[in-house]
Amino acid sequence: GAVVSQHPSRVICKSGTSVKIECRSLDFQATTMFWYRQFPKQSLMLMATSNEGSKATYEQGVEKDKFLINHASLTLSTLTVTSAHPEDSSFYICSVSFPSVSYNEQFFGPGTRLTVL
Amino acid sequence: SQQGEEDPQALSIQEGENATMNCSYKTSINNLQWYRQNSGRGLVHLILIRSNEREKHSGRLRVTLDTSKKSSSLLITASRAADTASYFCATDAGQAGTALIFGKGTTLSVSS
Repeated sequence: GAVVSQHPSRVICKSGTSVKIECRSLDFQATTMFWYRQFPKQSLMLMATSNEGSKATYEQGVEKDKFLINHASLTLSTLTVTSAHPEDSSFYICSVSFPSVSYNEQFFGPGTRLTVL
Repeated sequence: SQQGEEDPQALSIQEGENATMNCSYKTSINNLQWYRQNSGRGLVHLILIRSNEREKHSGRLRVTLDTSKKSSSLLITASRAADTASYFCATDAGQAGTALIFGKGTTLSVSS
């Protein structure tokens, strides 16, 4: 399967700062990537769909001006949490869509744990 | 958005026992997938079952799908301590390349 990396794996920042998280597809070109958020002891919630060369599509309730997504190349999507606050502390996971002939196969990155103090 | 509930939310068993987790969803689906997540880690894909399939096996895993009841079950046989993790079902309803919608998950604890 495809290899997806995320960087950093863990970040601690002060309230009010911005944090950028990178998601890379290492071995194939991905036109579509997804960003999920997971709070402690909860499931993954889709935040946005990142499309190469176009604006991201955000889920209802996700502030696009706070969570900036850039998918400038076929192997890299970035999520920037702007003016982070403690309530943004979460586990952020990206996935890469690899539409095969018969089903929607996705590969997940290892996740980034964000802690905002 | 989330599809629905997973049942039970938490399950504790002894090594060697079987573990059964259930997942319900709300909308029509294309495929249903099961993932495992060890504490604080990324997701590991376990198995996919298509909407026109009723049962699928992979090693110690058995997945069933009942589209009339909009439910799926994951059975882990002869469980091991290493199976301790959270298990999520995920569905997709659209074209290939659409996002997955996750259930709330079951936390499985297997004690030796």
